[in-house]
Amino acid sequence: EPEVTQTPSHQVTQMGQEVILRCVPISNHLYFYWYRQILGQKVEFLVSFYNNEISEKSEIFDDQFSVERPDGSNFTLKIRSTKLEDSAMYFCASRRDGLFYGYTFGSGTRLTVV
Amino acid sequence: AQKITQTQPGMFVQEKEAVTLDCTYDTSDQSYGLFWYKQPSSGEMIFLIYQGSYDEQNATEGRYSLNFQKARKSANLVISASQLGDSAMYFCAMRPPRGSSNTGKLIFGQGTTLQVKP
Repeated sequence: EPEVTQTPSHQVTQMGQEVILRCVPISNHLYFYWYRQILGQKVEFLVSFYNNEISEKSEIFDDQFSVERPDGSNFTLKIRSTKLEDSAMYFCASRRDGLFYGYTFGSGTRLTVV
Repeated sequence: AQKITQTQPGMFVQEKEAVTLDCTYDTSDQSYGLFWYKQPSSGEMIFLIYQGSYDEQNATEGRYSLNFQKARKSANLVISASQLGDSAMYFCAMRPPRGSSNTGKLIFGQGTTLQVKP
């Protein structure tokens, strides 16, 4: 069964450093998302991406965040200058078009900012 | 604004028994989708079941069924014959309807931790 692949599975970074979280969505999916989950809390929407541009972003997704789909397969989330409160699990998801959108989540990247 | 509420932070169930996890939602839209995801301790999000707002029958997927009561705006997950491997966090989520501003994002509830006792 097709999967959404996220790398790395775990990343530790120093506060103030830039991190790039990588995702390979399912190849025939058209919509891409990033969510985050602070430990033990609910999953929060960050950004959606369609047709090579951001289609919606949440209040969390400020100027420190950016997304790219540089080569038609990878979908990346960049945090320019990490803060302690960016420590969370970050999930990439993709879906195809259609009435049942068929969201598939990746296994997540656990980001720890120290 | 849409909102999902899961009022049970934690639940216990005896192995082989059935358990119901509650989910209520708030929306003024007529067309929407409701999802349940399972998150084991390893952290991944596993899709369990989907219910469309216009679906007349309650969704079922194996041991999972969704008790959909549209007038009450509830979409409770029923797990029959609980297994030890069902111990996990369970999230209810809603997809708002299509529209010019809809990007298909999911709105999640706070989650319910289910512990299955042997």
